[in-house]
Amino acid sequence: DQQVKQNSPSLSVQEGRISILNCDYTNSMFDYFLWYKKYPAEGPTFLISISSIKDKNEDGRFTVFLNKSAKHLSLHIVPSQPGDSAVYFCAASGIQGAQKLVFGQGTRLTINP
Amino acid sequence: GAGVSQSPSNKVTEKGKDVELRCDPISGHTALYWYRQSLGQGLEFLIYFQGNSAPDKSGLPSDRFSAERTGGSVSTLTIQRTQQEDSAVYLCASSLGEGTLSGANVLTFGAGSRLTVL
Repeated sequence: DQQVKQNSPSLSVQEGRISILNCDYTNSMFDYFLWYKKYPAEGPTFLISISSIKDKNEDGRFTVFLNKSAKHLSLHIVPSQPGDSAVYFCAASGIQGAQKLVFGQGTRLTINP
Repeated sequence: GAGVSQSPSNKVTEKGKDVELRCDPISGHTALYWYRQSLGQGLEFLIYFQGNSAPDKSGLPSDRFSAERTGGSVSTLTIQRTQQEDSAVYLCASSLGEGTLSGANVLTFGAGSRLTVL
């Protein structure tokens, strides 16, 4: 039972353009959603999060949008840079408190010069 | 330490052998997590420790897997009688673990231990 799904295993975007990574979830009890970025041979690093009571959170070039009715979130990166090439994971956590994160399968983003 | 430290970074073992993977979390973090990433797959939750509470073992794939956390700090993940399907990168993470009204529970990950079972 995959509660968090990233249906695109890979995405290729030209440098300077917008990258849009998508994520769907099934459990309406999730309270927070997070995006992580992972380079080869390194652990995932936290990028940005959003509370379920919001529909948008922005941090520099990164913006996360949440559509609760559709159980869908997306990460926008603009403008895309070569250093953004990595695997991106979305994750969700339950009710406030120390909870495990449920991760999607990841999307490999490649930024082409 | 400044970050989550894992050892060994790489481990090659023969099928049927036992292995131990170690995680040293960020000082002051009360919550500790183990995940694994098999080739081409996402991050699979294994086990979660929070303070002195009983661990959440719901993600352990079989009884060959076990983990302990001594003194609320260092954790060891043990895999007994390893199988080829155990080959993966085992990732440890820690967090403040208290949960807040204003923020998400952000996990900080180590670089992982790559296990190869021949």
